[in-house]
Amino acid sequence: DTAVSQTPKYLVTQMGNDKSIKCEQNLGHDTMYWYKQDSKKFLKIMFSYNNKELIINETVPNRFSPKSPDKAHLNLHINSLELGDSAVYFCASSPYGGQAYEQYFGPGTRLTVT
Amino acid sequence: AQKITQTQPGMFVQEKEAVTLDCTYDTSDPSYGLFWYKQPSSGEMIFLIYQGSYDQQNATEGRYSLNFQKARKSANLVISASQLGDSAMYFCAMVQNNFNKFYFGSGTKLNVKP
Repeated sequence: DTAVSQTPKYLVTQMGNDKSIKCEQNLGHDTMYWYKQDSKKFLKIMFSYNNKELIINETVPNRFSPKSPDKAHLNLHINSLELGDSAVYFCASSPYGGQAYEQYFGPGTRLTVT
Repeated sequence: AQKITQTQPGMFVQEKEAVTLDCTYDTSDPSYGLFWYKQPSSGEMIFLIYQGSYDQQNATEGRYSLNFQKARKSANLVISASQLGDSAMYFCAMVQNNFNKFYFGSGTKLNVKP
């Protein structure tokens, strides 16, 4: 049973297109995240949702819009894709609050914009 | 300001030897958590070990131990008896409770030589 799943695993598309990446977790966690890992392997948080509410929104272009239909899902929609959007996008989840708990990561989605 | 610093972009270690991966962090929050993740070439992020800021003892998980020096704000990962399968990127991360936000270091690429 996959704890955090993402689809698709690979996504190749052209500049200007709109695409979505889906994320689902079956761990019962309250908080979900989107990270971007660039070609230099640097991992940067983009968004965080707690119980469907946005709690962290880093400096990310408006072209990126997260949507959380329920606390088990956090999708990422990207409009007007640009070359610089090429990266690996990771979804993650964790329980909310407390002393801090590990994050469980999805397998990642490798986005290539041509 | 950089929250997590990993000063070793790459390291080599001989199989069966121990290796220490450095991590320093910056926070004024008294309550925080420190993590190490492994990212093999296949791309997934694998949780290795966790240390809470109030934990009195250093965390250990099998061959992994976290050398937590609170006054120095360091959280080095020690891998004992290195194996070829330990070759991967290793990320140090910190979460601050107030924001439930994770900060990641830039990673250290470990190569284990036979």
